[in-house]
Amino acid sequence: QLQLQESGPGLVKPSETLSLTCTVSGDSVSRSGYYWGWIRQPPGKGLEWIGSIYYSGSTYYNASLKSRVIMSVDTSKNQFSLKLTSVTASDTAVYYCARHIRDTFGVAGFWGQGTMVTVSS
Amino acid sequence: DIQMTQSPSTLSASVGDRVTITCRASQSISSWLAWYQQKPGKAPKLLIYKASTLESGVPSRFSGSGSGTDFTLTISSLQPDDFATYYCQQYSSFSRTFGQGTRVEIK
Repeated sequence: QLQLQESGPGLVKPSETLSLTCTVSGDSVSRSGYYWGWIRQPPGKGLEWIGSIYYSGSTYYNASLKSRVIMSVDTSKNQFSLKLTSVTASDTAVYYCARHIRDTFGVAGFWGQGTMVTVSS
Repeated sequence: DIQMTQSPSTLSASVGDRVTITCRASQSISSWLAWYQQKPGKAPKLLIYKASTLESGVPSRFSGSGSGTDFTLTISSLQPDDFATYYCQQYSSFSRTFGQGTRVEIK
């Protein structure tokens, strides 16, 4: 049974780096044809795609966040990660990790439960 | 970025009603459109991709149609479990974007 679990600090100071990890069980991040990625949702607002990664390390990022986003994958731990640099209050959101549908990045077919990250001093 | 606009923003309906939500893209996206359902405090759930392909396990009362710039999500007979917020998402351009959401509430 596929499970995705986000982990990381729930509070990050402005100008610092937000770091989250998604641990996958019930599937392999190395499975051919599947991208993995991150989507966020500010409180009371809509969804925003952050980016997607393939096990080979290929990445696709939201153009509006590209300068601040780094995604990586660790196949030995069956995890993938998100770093968002120079955060501000507008980065406060629930962050979801997800497995995308086959052969397509950005369309999230299976989601983690989400983790709330607050940016505040 | 391609802008996605949903209408209405809020929809009031009764159990058994036929419900239609519209999503319009700022430029043609062919059929590269997905629909999600989200309930309060929960992660979204994929309902439909490629405009009209039903995700496995999704009830057949949900259907999607459209191509180019105009798309619709239809619920043929609204059930109590369907009261939620619905989002469309385009995956034509490299920067994937969502609509602002349509909340379906009890009339």
